[in-house]
Amino acid sequence: GENVEQHPSTLSVQEGDSAVIKCTYSDSASNYFPWYKQELGKRPQLIIDIRSNVGEKKDQRIAVTLNKTAKHFSLHITETQPEDSAVYFCAASKRDDKIIFGKGTRLHILP
Amino acid sequence: DVKVTQSSRYLVKRTGEKVFLECVQDMDHENMFWYRQDPGLGLRLIYFSYDVKMKEKGDIPEGYSVSREKKERFSLILESASTNQTSMYLCASSGTGPSPLHFGNGTRLTVT
Repeated sequence: GENVEQHPSTLSVQEGDSAVIKCTYSDSASNYFPWYKQELGKRPQLIIDIRSNVGEKKDQRIAVTLNKTAKHFSLHITETQPEDSAVYFCAASKRDDKIIFGKGTRLHILP
Repeated sequence: DVKVTQSSRYLVKRTGEKVFLECVQDMDHENMFWYRQDPGLGLRLIYFSYDVKMKEKGDIPEGYSVSREKKERFSLILESASTNQTSMYLCASSGTGPSPLHFGNGTRLTVT
């Protein structure tokens, strides 16, 4: 079955700097890669997703890149702000199959 | 806006009790999922369902069962609760997939 590895488990960056979180997956048939943000005490919410037919997707300060050959994908947050502090989860899935999550990255934005 | 509602926010049960966690979604989604969330372990899939009366095991189904008698409702059952099932349980739904998950607020279950 699918296995998703996520690194780092904790990340601290200075406000205004960029943050990068990386994930690898094992099943080459996976074709959908969402990222979720979970603020303290709240439910996970989708922030961006990418499908295997594109290599990069951007939404304001957030971007995701996908390398199908290497089976890894990354989340990039630029110009970080205090409200970016949260736990971020990557996930991988294929049609009609389960959605498997990485173990999460706790992002701290330092003032 | 998709709404996924879990019946309880906090629940305390005794070891050996049968526990029901209920989840209802209002968007006519085909797919529903149960995850448990533990510190350092992320979100682990317990069971999922792609249709009424259909269920599939996730990565950690042991000690759990599910029921989906109606499209909008997906129940997680702990047949005989144990202390190692103390956790945060998250229900989610999605449309025909793969597509984004919409999560409920979670149920924090404590088994004493």
